[in-house]
Amino acid sequence: QKEVEQNSGPLSVPEGAIASLNCTYSDRGSQSFFWYRQYSGKSPELIMFIYSNGDKEDGRFTAQLNKASQYVSLLIRDSQPSDSATYLCAVIQRGGADGLTFGKGTHLIIQP
Amino acid sequence: EPEVTQTPSHQVTQMGQEVILRCVPISNHLYFYWYRQILGQKVEFLVSFYNNEISEKSEIFDDQFSVERPDGSNFTLKIRSTKLEDSAMYFCASRPPFGGANVLTFGAGSRLTVL
Repeated sequence: QKEVEQNSGPLSVPEGAIASLNCTYSDRGSQSFFWYRQYSGKSPELIMFIYSNGDKEDGRFTAQLNKASQYVSLLIRDSQPSDSATYLCAVIQRGGADGLTFGKGTHLIIQP
Repeated sequence: EPEVTQTPSHQVTQMGQEVILRCVPISNHLYFYWYRQILGQKVEFLVSFYNNEISEKSEIFDDQFSVERPDGSNFTLKIRSTKLEDSAMYFCASRPPFGGANVLTFGAGSRLTVL
């Protein structure tokens, strides 16, 4: 069973601090990696995707990928209360035409 | 901004009944998907659809499930004989035909409650 693992949390971070969210995946051949945000009762909303080892920045968000360690992370700088949500890591596995495999998500709470 | 539209937003049905969930993908998208999320659990891939046929399906997508694109705009998920464990949020998603990223746009979801 190919898995995507995340710490379910809750992860509590003070407003203005950096939130660090982590994800590991079991399929070494996974191709593409995504971070989604999901508010309670709502659908997933794409934050970022990354394909290559290293960092990718978009505004307050930075995605980091380390394929050797099978590890993806998301950093949120200057955290805001509106960032409080569940963050889902998702991957497209080797041989997976286009089905995303999601982790269970990390519940992030930004404390004002 | 273009969006994926799903109906109904909430459906309550009796066990054993047939249910059809409807989706209108973004108009220029050609790849369509159904995912489900049981309360408190992770989002699970059900099926992907391209060029009027299923391109990939998961183990969850068994014979009780089917998908159809009956016209140029709608994409439906049918559950033939619902079971209690089918209670979940069902998300439709679509993506454009080109571009390197498999970036999906999700609909707001249809909550299915099976009694």
